[in-house]
Amino acid sequence: GAGVSQSPSNKVTEKGKDVELRCDPISGHTALYWYRQSLGQGLEFLIYFQGNSAPDKSGLPSDRFSAERTGGSVSTLTIQRTQQEDSAVYLCASSWTGTSSYNEQFFGPGTRLTVL
Amino acid sequence: RKEVEQDPGPFNVPEGATVAFNCTYSNSASQSFFWYRQDCRKEPKLLMSVYSSGNEDGRFTAQLNRASQYISLLIRDSKLSDSATYLCVVNSYSSASKIIFGSGTRLSIRP
Repeated sequence: GAGVSQSPSNKVTEKGKDVELRCDPISGHTALYWYRQSLGQGLEFLIYFQGNSAPDKSGLPSDRFSAERTGGSVSTLTIQRTQQEDSAVYLCASSWTGTSSYNEQFFGPGTRLTVL
Repeated sequence: RKEVEQDPGPFNVPEGATVAFNCTYSNSASQSFFWYRQDCRKEPKLLMSVYSSGNEDGRFTAQLNRASQYISLLIRDSKLSDSATYLCVVNSYSSASKIIFGSGTRLSIRP
């Protein structure tokens, strides 16, 4: 079946511009996660959705970052007024249920964001 | 101190060798543990869970030492295709932000 998809795969933008990153989770997965991975680094947790609600936004680095999820499916991560330090690969993952018990996270291919 | 720490490597070993690496965690309340594999410029994928009694999956053996707060991954008879970065994952169930991914250990298998 279809896995997690993300778009765009690559995004180059100028400092100060807003960007929107999209994630389509696996159908039926209620939990959705956004991570950021800088070159040679581990995954930095950003935000977690259970259905349409975001019980954990603690990883968002600043108020320039926001995310929403509609219909319990597609999620959009928005970065306003991008800065060069926002350059990274943004990974989305989904799993059957949330954090009450760990379910394997299935990752999308990521969006590589470059801020010039 | 990071909540989850891994030796970044790289571990460079010949094909057929046995290699092992550890991952230490600081939160004693951590309840579940995993190894993910990430190929270069690819997304992470689950390799195996780590059970308290230790578990094996083919050439891969994972172990948990709660007293010393580390998990390990051992790869026997390594193959060229094992070259990747191995991420350990620790979950304390308290919140999504407590699913912590380590920075990964790079493994390179040479012919």
